[in-house]
Parts: sequence; C-alpha cells; structure tokens
Amino acid sequence: RKEVEQDPGPFNVPEGATVAFNCTYSNSASQSFFWYRQDCRKEPKLLMSVYSSGNEDGRFTAQLNRASQYISLLIRDSKLSDSATYLCVVNRGLNKFYFGSGTKLNVKP
Amino acid sequence: NAGVTQTPKFRVLKTGQSMTLLCAQDMNHEYMYWYRQDPGMGLRLIHYSVGEGTTAKGEVPDGYNVSRLKKQNFLLGLESAAPSQTSVYFCASTGQPNTEAFFGQGTRLTVV
Repeated sequence: RKEVEQDPGPFNVPEGATVAFNCTYSNSASQSFFWYRQDCRKEPKLLMSVYSSGNEDGRFTAQLNRASQYISLLIRDSKLSDSATYLCVVNRGLNKFYFGSGTKLNVKP
Repeated sequence: NAGVTQTPKFRVLKTGQSMTLLCAQDMNHEYMYWYRQDPGMGLRLIHYSVGEGTTAKGEVPDGYNVSRLKKQNFLLGLESAAPSQTSVYFCASTGQPNTEAFFGQGTRLTVV
C-alpha cells in the first residue's frame, strides 16, 4: 500500500468553480502534512501546511482528519492560474517526506 | 536569493556512463534529500542526509551513491547509468524538523 494516495484526476473545472481534493495516508505516526503545487516541468513549491485545526489562506482551505487519516484541500473561486498538479505530502519524522502522485487540476475559461 | 540550486539542469547519458548531480543550498539547512519523479509515481526518496558527513538510504537507493562532505552540498552519483534511471531528479532541503522542504529546479536525465 502506498504511503500517500491521491486521485490523479484530472479535475476539469470552469473559472470560478469550487474544487476539492482529498488525500489519504497509511501511517498513523505521520507528524506533519503539506500541500505542494507543481507546475508543468517545474519543481514542487509549498502551497500550505495543514494543521489539525484546519487552516485557510485566501481562497485555499486545508483540513486534516487524523482519525480517518485523510487530508483535504478546497479551492474556491478557481482561477486559470490555479491549473497545476497538487501534491499531498506527509512527514513521518526524521524529516522524511512522502509524496502522493499528485492531482491534476485544469481550470478552463 | 538562490535557495536550492541543482546542476546540471539537463543531461543525456549513454548506458554505462557515470555522472554526478550537484545540489547546493545556501539556507544553512541540516537535512538534504534526493528524489526522483516518474510519471504516475510521485516523488520517491533515493537518499537523504541529516547533517554534514552523514547519509542514509531512502526508498529507491539502488544504483545511486551520495556524499555530503560539506553542509551546503549534497552530491548524487550514478556509477553506471541504466535506462531505468531516466527520470527527473529533485534535490530538497529542510531546516527545522517538520517544516517545509525547499526544492531545486530539477535535473532531467535521459539514459539511452
């Protein structure tokens, strides 16, 4: 079983739509959680950390459910510039990061 | 404002050739990592280092070696390249535990 699993998509949505991604992780000892964004042929870049209480950054909201071992990302009012692949990342201590294979988002005019 | 820098950015190797990928970070980070990214597989950890002079195996270490002689540099070596090592390689570093990882721009390696 993979450490981190994501729906690969693609999610094709119109501008202005709300879209949600989920991610599940297998190891209950996981300690910290992140969403990264990766543009085509570029390096991953941090979008936001995910905290147990949930956190919001502008149009982006992240939630963590430790009991069910899943993480979510909600994007409101989608922009064309949100088109990218979103990586769910889990840190299981010793700073070892485990990456999901990514969910591709296409926002269309 | 360099962050994490990888060299080279692109390389084509013939089967059996060797090469070294260099990763340099200027953030005084203790932890450094090498990942490979293949379609549909996500990023997989090759080797990592928790400090100068230390290295450890990750998820897919076979066919690779690493060295961390200086805190700011982490080298990834391929002694005898194979077509299965065709991939995009990313270096990353972190400072404090459980904080975000910063990535280099990647190295696109093709082994023919």
